Amino acid sequence: KAGVTQTPRYLIKTRGQQVTLSCSPISGHRSVSWYQQTPGQGLQFLFEYFSETQRNKGNFPGRFSGRQFSNSRSEMNVSTLELGDSALYLCASSPGGGPSNTEAFFGQGTRLTVV
Amino acid sequence: GEDVEQSLFLSVREGDSSVINCTYTDSSSTYLYWYKQEPGAGLQLLTYIFSNMDMKQDQRLTVLLNKKDKHLSLRIADTQTGDSAIYFCAENRRGSYIPTFGRGTSLIVHP
Repeated sequence: KAGVTQTPRYLIKTRGQQVTLSCSPISGHRSVSWYQQTPGQGLQFLFEYFSETQRNKGNFPGRFSGRQFSNSRSEMNVSTLELGDSALYLCASSPGGGPSNTEAFFGQGTRLTVV
Repeated sequence: GEDVEQSLFLSVREGDSSVINCTYTDSSSTYLYWYKQEPGAGLQLLTYIFSNMDMKQDQRLTVLLNKKDKHLSLRIADTQTGDSAIYFCAENRRGSYIPTFGRGTSLIVHP
């Protein structure tokens, strides 16, 4: 069974630009969550999608958005990039059917550098 | 304070046991997890324990849960240099779809 695939692995963008990251979950998983990881803040939850709907949202500004397609693949978008958006963005997939066990499987992440 | 707390660093000698500790605040936590992150990689689920268990053992890994004190620990026996990584504790609260992560403990294994 293929794991969680994130593309691209590395990105360098300029302040003010926008970026789109992609995540393909494990086959059969319907929940996709996104996290931002930085040395100073640790792992911070961005949002979670289940069956094409945003089910949970963290405390990030509206510049961060996402969506999920009917095949469960998800994208996240960051507009008007700031230097502080430089981070490792991780995607996690889980079956998502119920809240009792949210065992999550992570992709390798996309390293975004904003210059 | 934070919902899930871990110490930031732990240094051990190769062959010794490592114990990584975690405390959490929500008594409704149903599942508790340990994840491992190697440099440049995503998080890998190592093991998890259900809240009605006290202990779980899986080869070199032993998880101990003290629900009364809301304390979780991960013991790695015979620690190897390949165990050097960041270890994250996470809890899943009753009714929640999203686990809450600690900030991670960097385990450094030296010869």
